[in-house]
Amino acid sequence: DGGITQSPKYLFRKEGQNVTLSCEQNLNHDAMYWYRQDPGQGLRLIYYSQIVNDFQKGDIAEGYSVSREKKESFPLTVTSAQKNPTAFYLCASSMETGIYGYTFGSGTRLTVV
Amino acid sequence: AQKITQTQPGMFVQEKEAVTLDCTYDTSDQSYGLFWYKQPSSGEMIFLIYQGSYDEQNATEGRYSLNFQKARKSANLVISASQLGDSAMYFCAMREGRGSGGYNKLIFGAGTRLAVHP
Repeated sequence: DGGITQSPKYLFRKEGQNVTLSCEQNLNHDAMYWYRQDPGQGLRLIYYSQIVNDFQKGDIAEGYSVSREKKESFPLTVTSAQKNPTAFYLCASSMETGIYGYTFGSGTRLTVV
Repeated sequence: AQKITQTQPGMFVQEKEAVTLDCTYDTSDQSYGLFWYKQPSSGEMIFLIYQGSYDEQNATEGRYSLNFQKARKSANLVISASQLGDSAMYFCAMREGRGSGGYNKLIFGAGTRLAVHP
């Protein structure tokens, strides 16, 4: 079945470390997105990519980096510059037209220890 | 700036009754899309229903219907015959543009937590 796979489901990071969250899709979707969700809040856009080797900053890109070397993959790196990284991270993808919205992964919960 | 407002942090409903979750939006764009997603405790986002700004009929998907009042800029979700499995967070979201090419950003509201009681 087609879908989006995020890994790991839970991730713990020490202060000052970079960590990378994986997102893979086999839906043949052109666009991919990373969202951050804090407790009791909605989703905020971190980065998005419409095509391979191209990506754009969203509303809260500071302290994060991404790459899009393959259509199927859109990993997110949470760098040490991100001062408050503890959150739930959701990856999504859509057809270029996006008319039908997004397909979401099951999320990664990142905790700083 | 585009904005989605969900004014109900939490809602309670008796099993088998109907419930309405409120959503208002603000955009200067004439073409946009409105979505509702369900997020159970597992965290995944489940698409429920979609309404385009030019759609004349209210969208319906099984027990879900969207009460679209364009002049009031509201897009309330109605869940009929609530079930225990409907207990979850519900998010209203808006996408600008027809979606015909290009990036389509989804803006989310803060969500409403629905609890269905037996």
